[in-house]
Amino acid sequence: DARVTQTPRHKVTEMGQEVTMRCQPILGHNTVFWYRQTMMQGLELLAYFRNRAPLDDSGMPKDRFSAEMPDATLATLKIQPSEPRDSAVYFCASGLGSLSTDTQYFGPGTRLTVL
Amino acid sequence: DAKTTQPTSMDCAEGRAANLPCNHSTISGNEYVYWYRQIHSQGPQYIIHGLKNNETNEMASLIITEDRKSSTLILPHATLRDTAVYYCIAYNAGNNRKLIWGLGTSLAVNP
Repeated sequence: DARVTQTPRHKVTEMGQEVTMRCQPILGHNTVFWYRQTMMQGLELLAYFRNRAPLDDSGMPKDRFSAEMPDATLATLKIQPSEPRDSAVYFCASGLGSLSTDTQYFGPGTRLTVL
Repeated sequence: DAKTTQPTSMDCAEGRAANLPCNHSTISGNEYVYWYRQIHSQGPQYIIHGLKNNETNEMASLIITEDRKSSTLILPHATLRDTAVYYCIAYNAGNNRKLIWGLGTSLAVNP
């Protein structure tokens, strides 16, 4: 049963600290999405990769957030420095993207709390 | 950007059909309608998607109007485990349009 995995599942940190979240997409998938979810804003797309290249990161605060795919089996989302307003659940999703369709399969999320 | 509007919440009796509506009046001709659901504290789960024709799979049916400005997700025999937030989004991976998720419809299936 292929699944997207995310680590850590929970993270509590203090303001100003660096946070790194990791995602292992489903083997063979060529697209990766990073989302942030809060009660007020719902699901917000932060970044979107296809074949490891970033296609859209317009939803990401560039001054503190960065997203990378070092290889096809790992995607990372970093926040440096973290702020209390970054507290949210961060989801990674992967898909077998074609030129038009891209069904997304979500991981369980990382619940981040910044004190 | 193709935005969708959905009712905030709905109720359904267990065993009955749940019909969840979605308006996407600004959808472009090549954008697909996708439905996902999110059970509390889990990641969203794909349900179904379609372009023009109605679609059915083991989970649900998707009815898209002829003008494609709205659609309805049908859960034919709702169970308690179908209680979740249901999201409708309009998207084409090849378009340079931002993927936008709304707040979805919170469906409560009651015994």
